[in-house]
Amino acid sequence: GQNIDQPTEMTATEGAIVQINCTYQTSGFNGLFWYQQHAGEAPTFLSYNVLDGLEEKGRFSSFLSRSKGYSYLLLKELQMKDSASYLCAVKEGDYKLSFGAGTTVTVRA
Amino acid sequence: ETGVTQTPRHLVMGMTNKKSLKCEQHLGHNAMYWYKQSAKKPLELMFVYNFKEQTENNSVPSRFSPECPNSSHLFLHLHTLQPEDSALYLCASSQEYGSSYEQYFGPGTRLTVT
Repeated sequence: GQNIDQPTEMTATEGAIVQINCTYQTSGFNGLFWYQQHAGEAPTFLSYNVLDGLEEKGRFSSFLSRSKGYSYLLLKELQMKDSASYLCAVKEGDYKLSFGAGTTVTVRA
Repeated sequence: ETGVTQTPRHLVMGMTNKKSLKCEQHLGHNAMYWYKQSAKKPLELMFVYNFKEQTENNSVPSRFSPECPNSSHLFLHLHTLQPEDSALYLCASSQEYGSSYEQYFGPGTRLTVT
């Protein structure tokens, strides 16, 4: 089974940097995904890590350490539109995704 | 239409009703999924279909019955639901089973059971 932990809420100022941590325990790790979900909308894919290290995509970066069961999502140059819930999801096997409860990020002017 | 669509977007039903949720993906994907998202809880995987064959039933009560007539369409038939079944039901699809393929989500159906 899965045990995925991430903070419930974070608040930051426009233009700042925020780091959302995710820790997990799994019996068959096969990749970690980050999704963004705005209120009332579908989750949208942000990043995927399967090997240790940092993946950078514009203002968003994601890091993975498999030995520590740890990942983070880094949001740089925060914009108001980045206010959303960020979901950490761990894949077991070929298709099974287990999600954390999500971190609600509020960006203030 | 593009991406993953779901209908209806909102549904209110009594505990004795029978209704169906519909999902359609326009991405040419081969795997489709049903998830349940309750307030303040993680998304829960309910069912998985790969090439129209069900490959996962995540201990879901029999009052939820999935149907996948082809790789583009997925239904969730509902009957004699309970108030605790009220939630957002999300459909997703992915290209194939493989590990690096991200899942694309539909906008969800907000279900309220009265």
